[in-house]
Amino acid sequence: TQLLEQSPQFLSIQEGENLTVYCNSSSVFSSLQWYRQEPGEGPVLLVTVVTGGEVKKLKRLTFQFGDARKDSSLHITAAQTGDTGLYLCAGANTGANNLFFGTGTRLTVIP
Amino acid sequence: KAGVTQTPRYLIKTRGQQVTLSCSPISGHRSVSWYQQTPGQGLQFLFEYFSETQRNKGNFPGRFSGRQFSNSRSEMNVSTLELGDSALYLCASSLGPGSTKQYFGPGTRLTVT
Repeated sequence: TQLLEQSPQFLSIQEGENLTVYCNSSSVFSSLQWYRQEPGEGPVLLVTVVTGGEVKKLKRLTFQFGDARKDSSLHITAAQTGDTGLYLCAGANTGANNLFFGTGTRLTVIP
Repeated sequence: KAGVTQTPRYLIKTRGQQVTLSCSPISGHRSVSWYQQTPGQGLQFLFEYFSETQRNKGNFPGRFSGRQFSNSRSEMNVSTLELGDSALYLCASSLGPGSTKQYFGPGTRLTVT
């Protein structure tokens, strides 16, 4: 089993603050995906990164894939209450659809 | 385009019973994967189907099984339910094997009493 550890596990910040969530593994993945899940719903795909060192920006969210393709980070600038949710990273291997999910980071943005 | 649908959304069963959950993928998607989500173990892969064939299986006992129909709809079955099977069961659809984009349904919340 390929494990992904996320940190921090819980994060509570004020609206307008910046934050970074980390996703680390000892395994190499062909791609890394980030999801956000809200209560009572399934995870929603935010981004997929496939190249070591790749950086993708999605409005206030910046995603980075480590050079060795073992780790990733998600940075949110000027957090908003709508960013509240469970953030999950997931690793995938070439040709396979089974995702290895991280332990999750539960983010609460306080108005 | 309609998203992934899962039925039922909520289910309460008794230990020892069996249950069948259904998943309809996005139109045109031929790959369906199932996951179990619990507070203690997080999201864990159960199995994946493509063209009515199981391509991959996670580390779950044989009480967990599934199948896929010719229209890509999928069902999963859990027999002899245990209290520990209480979880959110999620289905994800994608175009095919190796697709980097998977779309999840809202899940079926199973409670075993």
